[in-house]
Amino acid sequence: DQQVKQNSPSLSVQEGRISILNCDYTNSMFDYFLWYKKYPAEGPTFLISISSIKDKNEDGRFTVFLNKSAKHLSLHIVPSQPGDSAVYFCAATATSGTYKYIFGTGTRLKVLA
Amino acid sequence: DAGITQSPRHKVTETGTPVTLRCHQTENHRYMYWYRQDPGHGLRLIHYSYGVKDTDKGEVSDGYSVSRSKTEDFLLTLESATSSQTSVYFCAISDVRGSGGYTFGSGTRLTVV
Repeated sequence: DQQVKQNSPSLSVQEGRISILNCDYTNSMFDYFLWYKKYPAEGPTFLISISSIKDKNEDGRFTVFLNKSAKHLSLHIVPSQPGDSAVYFCAATATSGTYKYIFGTGTRLKVLA
Repeated sequence: DAGITQSPRHKVTETGTPVTLRCHQTENHRYMYWYRQDPGHGLRLIHYSYGVKDTDKGEVSDGYSVSRSKTEDFLLTLESATSSQTSVYFCAISDVRGSGGYTFGSGTRLTVV
């Protein structure tokens, strides 16, 4: 039972364009969400987070949007750069519970120069 | 990443042998986690610790045990390795209960033959 889903295993985008990575969740108790970026042979690194009290959070080129009614979040990268090519994981947790994060299966982003 | 190291980085072992993976942190963080990463499954929590000698099970704990006798070390043991435990294992740490995300180690690639 996959509580956090990333339905697109891969995505290719031209350099300079927008990358949109999507994530869906099923557990209505989830109220805090993260995005991680992972390069080959390295551990995931924290990218950006969002609390359910917000519907948007920005950090430079990265913006995360949360649609609670649809149980959907998305990561926008504008403009995309070749160095953004990596696997992106979304993760969710219920802050009222044990605070364990459930991760999605990941989306491999390739930014074409 | 500075502050968290995993050893070994690579290991090949035979079915039925015991294996111990080590996670060492210098950040004095209270929370430590072990995840495995597999294609199509993303990152799945094996065990976690919320303090010295305080551990709990994650989503995929069968066949694994953990120990934390010191704040800085979190050991993951496969008592009798099986081929299904071939995976990349990541350790993660956090100072508060997951808020702001985890810091991950670089991973251990384990192959059980």
